[in-house]
Amino acid sequence: QVQLKESGPGLVQPSQTLSLTCTVSGFSLTSYNVHWVRQPTGKGLEWMGVIWTGGSTDYNSALKSRLSISRDTSKSQVFLKMNSLQTEDIATYYCARDPGGVFDYWGQGVMVTVSS
Amino acid sequence: VVLTQTPPTLSATIGQSVSISCRSSQSLLDSDGDTYLNWLLQRPGQSPQLLIYSVSNLESGVPNRFSGSGSETDFTLKISGVEAEDLGVYYCMQATHAPLTFGSGTKLEIK
Repeated sequence: QVQLKESGPGLVQPSQTLSLTCTVSGFSLTSYNVHWVRQPTGKGLEWMGVIWTGGSTDYNSALKSRLSISRDTSKSQVFLKMNSLQTEDIATYYCARDPGGVFDYWGQGVMVTVSS
Repeated sequence: VVLTQTPPTLSATIGQSVSISCRSSQSLLDSDGDTYLNWLLQRPGQSPQLLIYSVSNLESGVPNRFSGSGSETDFTLKISGVEAEDLGVYYCMQATHAPLTFGSGTKLEIK
């Protein structure tokens, strides 16, 4: 069955780089787009970026200078890297599958705190 | 594209029918003819889940008490007969225009 699971450190020091992995199963990264979405605790959802089936990427302009999304199709993994983390980046980070204009499956999310 | 959801909170009794509005700052009709307006539900402590896609299409496994309607800039999610499991925050989201955006959410509480 379709599954997405985010993993990565729950704690990142200020100004350091966040590295998250989304491991998927039940579908191919060459057939479905994968997005990253984040949610500060108690707040709404913010789209971060996407890696398309062909491997190209698009990013939220507000994060573009700090954000990179990549993948390893052989391992069914999508990677998020965001540098210069600050307290405003404290959130739960989700990856989600997109067959075309819709997020039909979401991961469980990983909570990230920024603190020294 | 800014999506404005109303009301921000909703309190309903079991069996009551309720509606949530989502208004877009731009038409969400895509050049391909589709309208990429979707509805999500985030239950407490859970990830969002898809309820409705492309305005009015019910996602597989979602009860048919949920329905979506609308066009261009005005959209509505209706729950015909609220059940206890429907509590949570409802979000509309659009994928017609980049960047993809979400509404601010409507919290449904059960009286």
